[in-house]
Amino acid sequence: ELKVEQNPLFLSMQEGKNYTIYCNYSTTSDRLYWYRQDPGKSLESLFVLLSNGAVKQEGRLMASLDTKARLSTLHITAAVHDLSATYFCAVDRLFGGATNKLIFGTGTLLAVQP
Amino acid sequence: DVKVTQSSRYLVKRTGEKVFLECVQDMDHENMFWYRQDPGLGLRLIYFSYDVKMKEKGDIPEGYSVSREKKERFSLILESASTNQTSMYLCASWTGAFYQPQHFGDGTRLSIL
Repeated sequence: ELKVEQNPLFLSMQEGKNYTIYCNYSTTSDRLYWYRQDPGKSLESLFVLLSNGAVKQEGRLMASLDTKARLSTLHITAAVHDLSATYFCAVDRLFGGATNKLIFGTGTLLAVQP
Repeated sequence: DVKVTQSSRYLVKRTGEKVFLECVQDMDHENMFWYRQDPGLGLRLIYFSYDVKMKEKGDIPEGYSVSREKKERFSLILESASTNQTSMYLCASWTGAFYQPQHFGDGTRLSIL
């Protein structure tokens, strides 16, 4: 059974600092998705990672995927308050399958302090 | 942009009632999903549908059923609501292309009293 673990669960950081959120998963998968959720809002897609070694960047966020280590990272560079949100990773449980049945991590609540 | 619309943002129902949550997408997507979101548990898949009238159970289908009579509409049904079904419910749709993410609605916060 596929399990997805994120850490840390809660991250308080100062503006201008760098930090990394980790997403580990327990069985082989080749599709990983990162989402952001603001309080009371829906999930917004950030990155789609589809192959080993994939790296995507958008603004101060960079995501990478290592399928051999079953690990994805979301790196935050020079954090700003607007990045405060909950971040979820989600892994497609069927390696090479035709559906998109995702298992979500429990989320990382990021609070960026001035 | 993909638009996924859930019929209610907030809903309060009583134990034992039959509850319908509606979801509509405007991008002709084949695939639609229902999740529930609870603190500390992330999102969990209840049911999904990969075509009209086609459905498949997710991880926590007990106490729920679904209906997909038209491509754009996917309904979640709580047959006899119970207090442990109080939660945030999220609907999503997906093109079928893996380089595309699932697109989520704004969610329905359901309280069962």
